[in-house]
Amino acid sequence: DQQVKQNSPSLSVQEGRISILNCDYTNSMFDYFLWYKKYPAEGPTFLISISSIKDKNEDGRFTVFLNKSAKHLSLHIVPSQPGDSAVYFCAASGGGGADGLTFGKGTHLIIQP
Amino acid sequence: DAGVIQSPRHEVTEMGQEVTLRCKPISGHDYLFWYRQTMMRGLELLIYFNNNVPIDDSGMPEDRFSAKMPNASFSTLKIQPSEPRDSAVYFCASSKTAPNEQFFGPGTRLTVL
Repeated sequence: DQQVKQNSPSLSVQEGRISILNCDYTNSMFDYFLWYKKYPAEGPTFLISISSIKDKNEDGRFTVFLNKSAKHLSLHIVPSQPGDSAVYFCAASGGGGADGLTFGKGTHLIIQP
Repeated sequence: DAGVIQSPRHEVTEMGQEVTLRCKPISGHDYLFWYRQTMMRGLELLIYFNNNVPIDDSGMPEDRFSAKMPNASFSTLKIQPSEPRDSAVYFCASSKTAPNEQFFGPGTRLTVL
């Protein structure tokens, strides 16, 4: 049973436009959410996070939105750049007090010139 | 800082052999996590340590898997005996606190023939 779901395996966006990556979760105990970016043959790299007491967190071109009632979060990247092409993982923690992360299966973002 | 260091980067072994994966966390980080990535299951938490003590090993798939952290700067994940279905990329991550930003190593790609 997947507790964190990323329903789009891939997403193609034109350079300069906005990229929106979506993530849904089922465990209402989750209280901290993170986005990671991963290039081939490398480990995931932390991008941005949000606590459940907030509904938005912004860091440069990256903004994460959290809708607790819908159990949904999204990552906005604007403007999208070629270097943003990577696999993006949504992760959550707090379910039952665990400190490890529960990951979605990832969305492969492709930025087209 | 050198980041999280994992060795070896690639391991090819035959079914039934013992495999040992190694991890050096970032100095000063109190938490160490072992994850496994497969096509079918994505990134999943195997076990994590806090101050060298195993806290949650519920993700360890079978008794063939074991993990140790003899000191703050070294951890091992051992598979004995290995099976073809253990083929995956194994990541080690560390963090100062949980569940905040975890820093991942480059991973060990394990192939069991």
